[in-house]
Amino acid sequence: GQQLNQSPQSMFIQEGEDVSMNCTSSSIFNTWLWYKQEPGEGPVLLIALYKAGELTSNGRLTAQFGITRKDSFLNISASIPSDVGIYFCAGIYYGGSQGNLIFGKGTKLSVKP
Amino acid sequence: DGGITQSPKYLFRKEGQNVTLSCEQNLNHDAMYWYRQDPGQGLRLIYYSQIVNDFQKGDIAEGYSVSREKKESFPLTVTSAQKNPTAFYLCASSPHGTSGTDEQFFGPGTRLTVL
Repeated sequence: GQQLNQSPQSMFIQEGEDVSMNCTSSSIFNTWLWYKQEPGEGPVLLIALYKAGELTSNGRLTAQFGITRKDSFLNISASIPSDVGIYFCAGIYYGGSQGNLIFGKGTKLSVKP
Repeated sequence: DGGITQSPKYLFRKEGQNVTLSCEQNLNHDAMYWYRQDPGQGLRLIYYSQIVNDFQKGDIAEGYSVSREKKESFPLTVTSAQKNPTAFYLCASSPHGTSGTDEQFFGPGTRLTVL
């Protein structure tokens, strides 16, 4: 079945640095989503991407829907301590009339002040 | 104030007892989901429901049961047959059939500890 490979698995960076993470698959997806989960909380949807090549920003976050529809990227600029958390990508593909959502395993971000 | 609520936030149970986790949404979403998350791990799908009175097993349904008698409610029962029930449980919902979109929105989670 469909699988998402999310990398890196974890990142430990200095405050102010930019961050990049990505999700890749051998399968095509119709929608890409990026979530952030803080400790002890549920994931929060950050950005949704619906078209190949789409580039969308949400504050310091920018995400792109890959042209091949098999990957997506999330960038965080000028990181701050509150960016700490686990970032999940998710892809939606359609089998018949049903949308199926698959999650990546997450990228754990740590920010050193 | 629309959203998804899960209660309680923390739950402790003795081994061998069944326990039911609550999930309610007032977003008028058609579909609801239950996930399990273990420390440092991703999300694993337990059960999902696309419409009232219908639900499907996910990847790790053994030892769990659900019901969907109302659109806004999707309770999860962790039975004594679940061999390792201690985990963080997340409920989610998506518009699905109503508007055709499938982005999932999550509740705050319930941390279940079985002693």
